[in-house]
Amino acid sequence: ETGVTQTPRHLVMGMTNKKSLKCEQHLGHNAMYWYKQSAKKPLELMFVYNFKEQTENNSVPSRFSPECPNSSHLFLHLHTLQPEDSALYLCASSQGQPGGGEKLFFGSGTQLSVL
Amino acid sequence: GENVEQHPSTLSVQEGDSAVIKCTYSDSASNYFPWYKQELGKRPQLIIDIRSNVGEKKDQRIAVTLNKTAKHFSLHITETQPEDSAVYFCAASNSNSGNTPLVFGKGTRLSVIA
Repeated sequence: ETGVTQTPRHLVMGMTNKKSLKCEQHLGHNAMYWYKQSAKKPLELMFVYNFKEQTENNSVPSRFSPECPNSSHLFLHLHTLQPEDSALYLCASSQGQPGGGEKLFFGSGTQLSVL
Repeated sequence: GENVEQHPSTLSVQEGDSAVIKCTYSDSASNYFPWYKQELGKRPQLIIDIRSNVGEKKDQRIAVTLNKTAKHFSLHITETQPEDSAVYFCAASNSNSGNTPLVFGKGTRLSVIA
């Protein structure tokens, strides 16, 4: 295990549902990330938080809403998703600031299916 | 912004042969180039990285080379084994710019045939 835990591992939801993905890191890192992994775009950055402050929003639709209450926890709130949002959602963390040549530690991901 | 191209998208080699994966980047200010390996059903994990102050780095059977002039870098795996089968991602970033995350290539699916 890398010290980054994601729940749930699998999620099936309808287009009208509201759900949340959770990520927790036990590494004392300062930066946390959400990535979307699909066949078309294997590692697509969605959001970045550095010391709880959002530093990057990679043109993500508003139906995805991140929340970072502290530097150890990261959430991704989902509502009115589309079938094309079905993908593996990976959380990651790093010790230093994003882009500082820091190693990323990934969680196991949440496999999301939108029906 | 940075753009990273990775080739080939798929690669099959016989066990014991070498495998080479190549990436190009667009931002000449990029100075950090990691490689991540993702086995089937598992999370991506860093296997090796190189910074722009060196041209080559080795770790047992894997090596990475960097050509800053041409803006490309490559992963070399020698004496491939079945456990090397995975998707490999290259990435690039400018570690001096602050708050500029890694940009990943689209990945190479390596299959090592026993």
